[in-house]
Amino acid sequence: SQQGEEDPQALSIQEGENATMNCSYKTSINNLQWYRQNSGRGLVHLILIRSNEREKHSGRLRVTLDTSKKSSSLLITASRAADTASYFCATGVNAGGTSYGKLTFGQGTILTVHP
Amino acid sequence: GAVVSQHPSRVICKSGTSVKIECRSLDFQATTMFWYRQFPKQSLMLMATSNEGSKATYEQGVEKDKFLINHASLTLSTLTVTSAHPEDSSFYICSARRQRNYEQYFGPGTRLTVT
Repeated sequence: SQQGEEDPQALSIQEGENATMNCSYKTSINNLQWYRQNSGRGLVHLILIRSNEREKHSGRLRVTLDTSKKSSSLLITASRAADTASYFCATGVNAGGTSYGKLTFGQGTILTVHP
Repeated sequence: GAVVSQHPSRVICKSGTSVKIECRSLDFQATTMFWYRQFPKQSLMLMATSNEGSKATYEQGVEKDKFLINHASLTLSTLTVTSAHPEDSSFYICSARRQRNYEQYFGPGTRLTVT
């Protein structure tokens, strides 16, 4: 089952604007990751935030994690048309044994950035 | 960076035939590989976790006799869809996990169409 719920499901903005996507999850996690997927392609890892971290930056990306609310947000600043893609959060849990490291993906947000 | 390849990228087969999809980690050793399925406009659903040298662990609802997984070496895992039917048409994505961190590196995906 998919643990992550993302909102909005779709986001349409103009180039230069900021885009914020949210992700909520249900169980305790070890880490939360954000991925990007261009249509019909594989996933690109964007950023990982561990459960003991609250905020992380990478270029134009800013991720926050609130474990008390079981939620995370991804902010893309100064968006570009090339940022148009689907964005997924994925949670990693402390599952032991052979399932260690498996990820549970959210439903994703489809971001469209208009030039 | 870590590169994961999949072969073939696209396959069309007739109902009742079997299809094998390969997932390779090209520049690192992956003790664990994961297989996901993604239907159009949906998120990734984990099918199974593949550990080198041992049997795969399947997610609930995934038929292990239909989706055969073999992880014979530290750089190769294969997924065989046996007796494929049109409802098996989907985008199959693998990922490989390095032992030292939590990041998963995703392959470009394989588009399976069963006619």
